[in-house]
Amino acid sequence: KAGVTQTPRYLIKTRGQQVTLSCSPISGHRSVSWYQQTPGQGLQFLFEYFSETQRNKGNFPGRFSGRQFSNSRSEMNVSTLELGDSALYLCASSWDNYGYTFGSGTRLTVV
Amino acid sequence: DQQVKQNSPSLSVQEGRISILNCDYTNSMFDYFLWYKKYPAEGPTFLISISSIKDKNEDGRFTVFLNKSAKHLSLHIVPSQPGDSAVYFCAARGNGGSQGNLIFGKGTKLSVKP
Repeated sequence: KAGVTQTPRYLIKTRGQQVTLSCSPISGHRSVSWYQQTPGQGLQFLFEYFSETQRNKGNFPGRFSGRQFSNSRSEMNVSTLELGDSALYLCASSWDNYGYTFGSGTRLTVV
Repeated sequence: DQQVKQNSPSLSVQEGRISILNCDYTNSMFDYFLWYKKYPAEGPTFLISISSIKDKNEDGRFTVFLNKSAKHLSLHIVPSQPGDSAVYFCAARGNGGSQGNLIFGKGTKLSVKP
């Protein structure tokens, strides 16, 4: 079966712009989580959506937001981009909150 | 304050020998632990997991040990192969309403030399 698909794979944006990243989970998975990976901070939890509702939220500013659609696909949005937002953004889907499968990520570079 | 710590940033092992990667955690509410392997610019790949009600789980060359009293877990890879060279992340999951939130250590880079 198809894995977790994240688009786009690479993105370059300018400071102050906004960006939307997409994640299509494994078919049947209703939980989608987002993570930010940077060299200094490692993998940090952004938020989790389950059945179109945000169930958990990490310690990130309000510029980071997300949503989940009825087909479980999820998007995350970052507004007013800062240089420090440059990172690999990963999403993970889960059916049972025991197995978490990650996508390949979106590499965002803010210039 | 790091709740999950991998204190060794790197580990070098000879092919065929055992690799032992360690992880410590501080929150006794964590009820499930996972190990992931990651290559640069790719997503983490799940390796093995363990529930807090167990102290050992095996899957092929990979074994995870959990010592709840010490809040410590370790991943053993036997025998180590050059293809195992990657960054390994330990992750912990909270229970109840925090189930969707994995808390990761900062990783250990394993190099297996032929």
